[in-house]
Parts: sequence; C-alpha cells; structure tokens
Amino acid sequence: QVQLQESGPGLVKPSETLSLTCGVSGYSISSGYYWGWIRQPPGKGLEWIGSVYHSGITYYNPSLKSRVTISVDTSRNQFSLKLSSVTAADTAVYYCVRLLIVGATTDYWGQGTLVTVSS
Amino acid sequence: EIVLTQSPGTLSLSPGERATLSCRASQSVSGSYLAWYQQKPGQAPRLLIYTASSRATGIPDRFSGSGSGTDFTLTISRLEPEDFAVYYCQQYGSSPRTFGQGTKLEIK
Repeated sequence: QVQLQESGPGLVKPSETLSLTCGVSGYSISSGYYWGWIRQPPGKGLEWIGSVYHSGITYYNPSLKSRVTISVDTSRNQFSLKLSSVTAADTAVYYCVRLLIVGATTDYWGQGTLVTVSS
Repeated sequence: EIVLTQSPGTLSLSPGERATLSCRASQSVSGSYLAWYQQKPGQAPRLLIYTASSRATGIPDRFSGSGSGTDFTLTISRLEPEDFAVYYCQQYGSSPRTFGQGTKLEIK
C-alpha cells in the first residue's frame, strides 16, 4: 500500500520560505510516476503547485513558478517543496500526492498538513 | 490554462434521490482526462472517476461519470448518507492541471 506523509513547520513568518518534505512508503519513487504538491486554503478549493519526476524533471503552476522549487531524493524515497516569499495568502493545507496521470487509474494522497503564514 | 466551472455551487437533496453535478471546461479536455473527487471535512480528496467515466477501485457503482470535450457530468444514482460532501473535478490532460471550484452536496 502506497503511503505518503508530509512533514515540516506548521507556522512560517511572512516573507520567509515554506519548506515541506513528503516521505513515501510502499512504492519506490525511482519506479516512476509524477509526485507533486497540491494545496487548499481554509474553506476553499484545490490548487496544483507543481510536480517532479524521479529523474528530477519538474513542472510548476505558472501562477507560482517564480517562488516554487520541488526536488526529489530517491535515496531517501522522498520529495520536497520550497515556496519562497510567503504571505498570508499561502496559508493552506498542503498535500503531497502521487499524481493521477495519463494512463493511470489511481492516485495517492498524504493526509495533508496545515501551514499558517503569520508573524 | 483550462478553467473548470462546476455547477451548481451547492446542491440540496435527500438520501435516496439522484444527484447530477456538472463540470464545464473553458476548452476541450485532452483525451477526456477528467477526474472527479469527493472530499469530506478534514480528509484528503478521494478519487471517484478518471478519464471521465471510469470508476476508481472500490468506488460503488451508484457513482458514474460521463461527458467529453468541454461538458462533463458526475451522477450519483441514489444518494446514501455518506455521499454528502464536496465534489471537485480535475483535468489532467493539459498542463497546468486544474480543478473546478467544487460543488457542495448537502442534506435537504
């Protein structure tokens, strides 16, 4: 069973960098699929932040591209998100996901972690 | 980017009734790569339907999806109490993948 678990600070100060890591168990990232981050502000909808392939190829949402870095560490079977220059608008539940892609029949989500941007 | 518009915003129905949720795209969804998710409070979204009409593993057959091009529908044939939740559509055929704003299905 594929499982994903987010970890990182739950509180980040404005203008600082939000950093989260997603640990994966039950599947080797090196075996394929795209791994990504999706966020959901409190009471609002879902927004794709970006994705990474095991080779390190990345895709980012154009609306966030200037502030986002997603990286993968296959030796630790984990991937990470960095979002710079955060504001209160970045307060959200952040999910790490093995993404549903063309040709796939399922996806896997972490439980989500709430990150609050506040001084 | 493809904008997905879901309607209605809120749907009030009773258990046993039929629910019809709509997702309209601003341009044609490549390959009908359109998915539907169910989300309950405090939980991650759960995949119900992929490629517009294929049920994900373990999803009851009262859930069905249809459509192509720019118009897609999720139908729940006979509502069970556990079906009251928020539903999202997502297109994943074009980058950036995008989500609709959600339809809240509430008990009448």
